[in-house]
Amino acid sequence: GAGVSQSPSNKVTEKGKDVELRCDPISGHTALYWYRQSLGQGLEFLIYFQGNSAPDKSGLPSDRFSAERTGGSVSTLTIQRTQQEDSAVYLCASSLGVGAFFGQGTRLTVV
Amino acid sequence: SQELEQSPQSLIVQEGKNLTINCTSSKTLYGLYWYKQKYGEGLIFLMMLQKGGEEKSHEKITAKLDEKKQQSSLHITASQPSHAGTYLCGADSGGGADGLTFGKGTHLIIQP
Repeated sequence: GAGVSQSPSNKVTEKGKDVELRCDPISGHTALYWYRQSLGQGLEFLIYFQGNSAPDKSGLPSDRFSAERTGGSVSTLTIQRTQQEDSAVYLCASSLGVGAFFGQGTRLTVV
Repeated sequence: SQELEQSPQSLIVQEGKNLTINCTSSKTLYGLYWYKQKYGEGLIFLMMLQKGGEEKSHEKITAKLDEKKQQSSLHITASQPSHAGTYLCGADSGGGADGLTFGKGTHLIIQP
């Protein structure tokens, strides 16, 4: 597609369950970012990929969060044993250097 | 780490009026991005500024980066209902690995 695609667009999960969020970046974009936006908060940087490698994972909130990127394209963000404070919109962005183009986000609600 | 402060946090403007949103950085900006977010939609890239004193325009929106590269302003002329939304500034720390840092956003409401 022409833009960054994220799936699912909405996810409701029970506390303690694992969830997997997917991001399809714009074709050819080497950089991929994951952000989280909680209600009333600004964007929180989670992790950045350059190709398949993530030079900096320090933004991940806890060891329940992990992310991977394969083939320099699709990325998945996995949250294990979800907690209510994980509820937020998770945004993915891809870039080829100038600007970063965002997906629509995945709205995660942990009940 | 770099921090971005946006002002005002929210703004209500009568249709047709001009308005300005500011973004101030705690460190020198290597790249300053302006985005717009509408409820239920993803972020829309507006423009990027890199050079001190740079100014870019897109339709009725003009963004400037000051000479010291620590402050940017976004100016909307003759505001329209379509301008309503949340405006976010984002900064590139220069190394890439830290991702982009964002301000908390300015929520703009246009009153008819």
